[in-house]
Amino acid sequence: GESVGLHLPTLSVQEGDNSIINCAYSNSASDYFIWYKQESGKGPQFIIDIRSNMDKRQGQRVTVLLNKTVKHLSLQIAATQPGDSAVYFCAEILSGTYKYIFGTGTRLKVLA
Amino acid sequence: DGGITQSPKYLFRKEGQNVTLSCEQNLNHDAMYWYRQDPGQGLRLIYYSQIVNDFQKGDIAEGYSVSREKKESFPLTVTSAQKNPTAFYLCAASSRGETQYFGPGTRLLVL
Repeated sequence: GESVGLHLPTLSVQEGDNSIINCAYSNSASDYFIWYKQESGKGPQFIIDIRSNMDKRQGQRVTVLLNKTVKHLSLQIAATQPGDSAVYFCAEILSGTYKYIFGTGTRLKVLA
Repeated sequence: DGGITQSPKYLFRKEGQNVTLSCEQNLNHDAMYWYRQDPGQGLRLIYYSQIVNDFQKGDIAEGYSVSREKKESFPLTVTSAQKNPTAFYLCAASSRGETQYFGPGTRLLVL
């Protein structure tokens, strides 16, 4: 399939290990954040979101951490599986607006 | 893909030709968006529409045009003025300030 993001930063992890993907956001007024997963040749899929009144949110095998002090967002994937291989990117939103800012993305490679 | 369809999956454009990419949503979201994605880069906003019969230019609108005659539909035309149209085009929809859901994308190639 087509390759999205040939020159993106790459994180390689062993199958079964935990993955941590980081994102620095730009607007201190942003109050809603989303992580997306994009597989090669496909559209981005919603993974998990977090509002600025929280600093942690957990889903199934995924956790998002928000540090507003340093404008940093991270996505943790537990027990990484081959199906997790994809490009992951964050989005920041100012609630009540149509202004969405997307990060460039990180490619996650899962090694068998 | 969350109720957003894009067609075709692949589109070939000859030099000097206008081509139209289709985007339809059944999520009843007010806002729809078009993004361009090039290898190694993030999403770049082409146009967005907050409501029927209204739309705004994004960061890279030159060489593109859109219409929003129906809430469900937001077609994108890549005109002959767009000199480097080869890219992956993504359509999205959302309610204001809420999660954007994306379609599966259209790959545009130039013959």
